[in-house]
Amino acid sequence: ETGVTQSPTHLIKTRGQQVTLRCSSQSGHNTVSWYQQALGQGPQFIFQYYREEENGRGNFPPRFSGLQFPNYSSELNVNALELDDSALYLCASSQTGPYGYTFGSGTRLTVV
Amino acid sequence: GESVGLHLPTLSVQEGDNSIINCAYSNSASDYFIWYKQESGKGPQFIIDIRSNMDKRQGQRVTVLLNKTVKHLSLQIAATQPGDSAVYFCAEVTGTASKLTFGTGTRLQVTL
Repeated sequence: ETGVTQSPTHLIKTRGQQVTLRCSSQSGHNTVSWYQQALGQGPQFIFQYYREEENGRGNFPPRFSGLQFPNYSSELNVNALELDDSALYLCASSQTGPYGYTFGSGTRLTVV
Repeated sequence: GESVGLHLPTLSVQEGDNSIINCAYSNSASDYFIWYKQESGKGPQFIIDIRSNMDKRQGQRVTVLLNKTVKHLSLQIAATQPGDSAVYFCAEVTGTASKLTFGTGTRLQVTL
């Protein structure tokens, strides 16, 4: 059984650019959530996808968007990057809701 | 608003001693809580969970206590080992998307 894999592991972007982060969910998991973790802070909920539909969103602007594919993998897109977007972006998958969430190791995004 | 906070940002314990990590939550409607361990460069790893209809749950070397009256959670680690050194988060489950609301975390340092 494979876990949650995220790519890339590290990324450096310039302010104003756009970025796409990818997540492959654990086998059998149909729900994917994305979290942003700033240095020294706890993860903050961005949004969740269930069966390719957004199923809840945190307090993040519309320039944060996502997709979920038929194989339940997911993308997080961030447009017009700002310096404060520098963080660890975590993907978590589960079969239903928060029970049995499995987190990936994250993508470290640095905006310069 | 909803929030989950921790009393101590850093906890230092000697190897073999017991550790207690505390957490306060504010949303009395939350019905599910999870403790996570996060090591450097990795995503959060599930340790133990508890539903609001319980006040104690035990795992291997870990115990979670829930006091709904004062909205307080604690994680007890028995016979702390060097491998337990990490940041520990409590998370509160809220909303229809079952999003996790994390606190800022407690760093556990195990000294030899």
